[in-house]
Amino acid sequence: DAGVIQSPRHEVTEMGQEVTLRCKLISGHNSLFWYRQTMMRGLELLIYFNNNVPIDDSGMPEDRFSAKMPNASFSTLKIQPSEPRDSAVYFCASNPTGVNTEAFFGQGTRLTVV
Amino acid sequence: GESVGLHLPTLSVQEGDNSIINCAYSNSASDYFIWYKQESGKGPQFIIDIRSNMDKRQGQRVTVLLNKTVKHLSLQIAATQPGDSAVYFCAENSYQGGKLIFGQGTELSVKP
Repeated sequence: DAGVIQSPRHEVTEMGQEVTLRCKLISGHNSLFWYRQTMMRGLELLIYFNNNVPIDDSGMPEDRFSAKMPNASFSTLKIQPSEPRDSAVYFCASNPTGVNTEAFFGQGTRLTVV
Repeated sequence: GESVGLHLPTLSVQEGDNSIINCAYSNSASDYFIWYKQESGKGPQFIIDIRSNMDKRQGQRVTVLLNKTVKHLSLQIAATQPGDSAVYFCAENSYQGGKLIFGQGTELSVKP
């Protein structure tokens, strides 16, 4: 298995534009986490899904952020409209459901909003 | 509220010495803990985990200690090598809540 795959690796966009980040889970995993990493705030949990259902989105900063799982192996995180303060590295991670086990992380998407 | 924090933001050690990275957590309901290593430009990578019914677990050159009484977690790295230079995060998971919450991270620098 290739692991968790995120795309794009880097994204530079202008303020006000829509940004879509993508994540492919490891086959067989049922839980999906989206994190945002900045120097100031570290790794923040934005939202997590279990069996395609959003369980906790309390970390989503604003209504400009939305996340979906259209199927069991894929997720998107959308920012519309984007702002400079959204600049960060966004990670997704997956793990099997129902057991306490480590989450496997993708390589991240570095987002720069100018 | 729930939080996981680290005592030291940076740690510098000599190659060959042992390293100890500490972490405090506040959620007494947390029952599973993980240490991750993050190298520059990469995602966090699993190092070792421990469940709340244990107080010590050993891996290859790494040991995690859990003190539930004071809600403290530590990562010990034996014979630290230059390749160990990275940022280390502790994370806690409550099976009840399902969240995986990360601490702020400690940067480990190994001097040759």
